[in-house]
Parts: sequence; C-alpha cells; structure tokens
Amino acid sequence: EAQVTQNPRYLITVTGKKLTVTCSQNMNHEYMSWYRQDPGLGLRQIYYSMNVEVTDKGDVPEGYKVSRKEKRNFPLILESPSPNQTSLYFCASTWTGGETEAFFGQGTRLTVV
Amino acid sequence: KNQVEQSPQSLIILEGKNCTLQCNYTVSPFSNLRWYKQDTGRGPVSLTIMTFSENTKSNGRYTATLDADTKQSSLHITASQLSDSASYICVVTLDKVTGGTSYGKLTFGQGTILTVHP
Repeated sequence: EAQVTQNPRYLITVTGKKLTVTCSQNMNHEYMSWYRQDPGLGLRQIYYSMNVEVTDKGDVPEGYKVSRKEKRNFPLILESPSPNQTSLYFCASTWTGGETEAFFGQGTRLTVV
Repeated sequence: KNQVEQSPQSLIILEGKNCTLQCNYTVSPFSNLRWYKQDTGRGPVSLTIMTFSENTKSNGRYTATLDADTKQSSLHITASQLSDSASYICVVTLDKVTGGTSYGKLTFGQGTILTVHP
C-alpha cells in the first residue's frame, strides 16, 4: 500500500528544545516536501527536495532544516523551536509524472510552549 | 504571482442537497488541477484531476469542471452526505516541461470548509 508515514502524530515541546519530525515514503518518489497548515492560511511549503541530497527552501523556511540522505526519508528539523512554530505539519511525497499527485502523511500537530 | 483562490470560504448545507465550490487560478504554465478533500486533522486526499484538455470529470458524487480559457474550476457535490463535511482544496501544478526547476511545486488554494448538517 502506497504510504507516507510521519512521526510523531502529536508533540508538545518547550521553546528551544531541538526536535525532529520524521517522514518516510514507500513509493520511490523523487520529490518530497514539508508543509505547515495554520487556520486561515492554508498549506504553505516549508522545504522541498527534488532528489537525494537536493533540497531547497519553500515559502516559509525560516526556523526549519531538512535533509535527504536517502530517497525514502525526509526529516524536518527544528533546531530551536519557538511558539510561532506551533502548527499542523504535513509531509508530502509527490509523483511528478504526467498527472502530478501529492500523497500526504497523517500530519503532526506540534505545540511549542 | 501564481495564485489559487477559492470560494466560498465556508459553506453549510443540509444532507441530501447539492453544492458547488469554485476555484480561480493564475498559475502559469498550467499542467493540471486537482481537488483534494481534507478531513479535520488528516492529510489531504486527491478526489479528481483535471488536465488542460479536459472539461468535465466525475468521481461518484463529485464532478469537477475546468475552463482553461477563464482559468476556473468547480467541484460539484451531488446528494451530499454527512461524511462530505471536510475542507476541499484546489491545487494547481506547474507544467513540468516549461515550468523549469519549479516543476512538482504545488500551488494551494486556502480551501472551502463544507459542513453538512442532518
């Protein structure tokens, strides 16, 4: 079954404590990305990766890091989380063939206090 | 600037009624447009895709239309059910050939929140 798996689903942390949200896909897609979703703002792209070792900033990259050492994994790293990073985060793996389709993970609800 | 705008922002209907959601886009060069359904707290899931040459496509009770000239799409839901309560997001993809390094980048609308009441 085609899947994008994110962990954890829920996370409460304190300001400044480094954290990593993992994302893994089993569809052999080259393109992966991270989004945050806030009320009234829709989905906004944080970072994306077009292949192993190729990453680039999206629309709201400040305060985030990513890495792509393997095709299937694309972790999101918050080196020093702040309360304004409290949000719902989604990882997506995108098929960029003729009919582009993004497959989303279950989401990670992050609260930074 | 590439944008996708949806209307209305929210919609409340009674079970069994029909409704239509709208999407206008300025994304260019256009590759395709998808409608996603997002249940509360879950990731979006694709309902249907429209490519440049398609005008209408149905998926069960969902029918999407596309007018590439006016850059408008609509999603019509027939005989609504309680389980249709969700956010519906219009997503446009840049053309892979002419979109340069931005291929694969998706432009999202802000979504329409649909609530179906019994």
